[in-house]
Amino acid sequence: DAGITQSPRHKVTETGTPVTLRCHQTENHRYMYWYRQDPGHGLRLIHYSYGVKDTDKGEVSDGYSVSRSKTEDFLLTLESATSSQTSVYFCAIMELFNTEAFFGQGTRLTVV
Amino acid sequence: GENVEQHPSTLSVQEGDSAVIKCTYSDSASNYFPWYKQELGKRPQLIIDIRSNVGEKKDQRIAVTLNKTAKHFSLHITETQPEDSAVYFCAVGNTGFQKLVFGTGTRLLVSP
Repeated sequence: DAGITQSPRHKVTETGTPVTLRCHQTENHRYMYWYRQDPGHGLRLIHYSYGVKDTDKGEVSDGYSVSRSKTEDFLLTLESATSSQTSVYFCAIMELFNTEAFFGQGTRLTVV
Repeated sequence: GENVEQHPSTLSVQEGDSAVIKCTYSDSASNYFPWYKQELGKRPQLIIDIRSNVGEKKDQRIAVTLNKTAKHFSLHITETQPEDSAVYFCAVGNTGFQKLVFGTGTRLLVSP
């Protein structure tokens, strides 16, 4: 398996609180992505990064922000968690664009 | 932005039958078309991919075909086995935007 880990693996949080999910890679891959997975919606892109401090929005970016200050870490922050953000979040890395994407184990987030 | 549609959402076959999953996309500039398999509780993993300069690619029992004119591509699994049961996602990559957009997934069930 590619060296990619997500933390935490599970989290329960209350509505209105900020939450940060971390994606850490040891592969020195340039591209990093955050997806959320929901039944009936597949994998939807939240934000992505094509280099340190280079990020862009995906299709469902409202309510989320990201930061990438180092090649190995890509942080996803829910500024004020809502119940609609209950989901499984996957981070993915890609060495060169249009090559295999390696996924982390996923983070199950529940907002109550 | 890119829009990817995937059909069917569920597919049930008998062991030994063939299975076909189809995806359509909207951006004619898209040039990379991977397929991912996700087993229950696991992370998605690449099973096969194709680039826009190729019409068909095979790897043992799986194959992918691409019709650029019609903007659709398909995954073909022959001689299905129970271990093929999983959720399959198509994805579309666009070098211009450097992002990978996924379809909504197909749950394949292979009955012995």
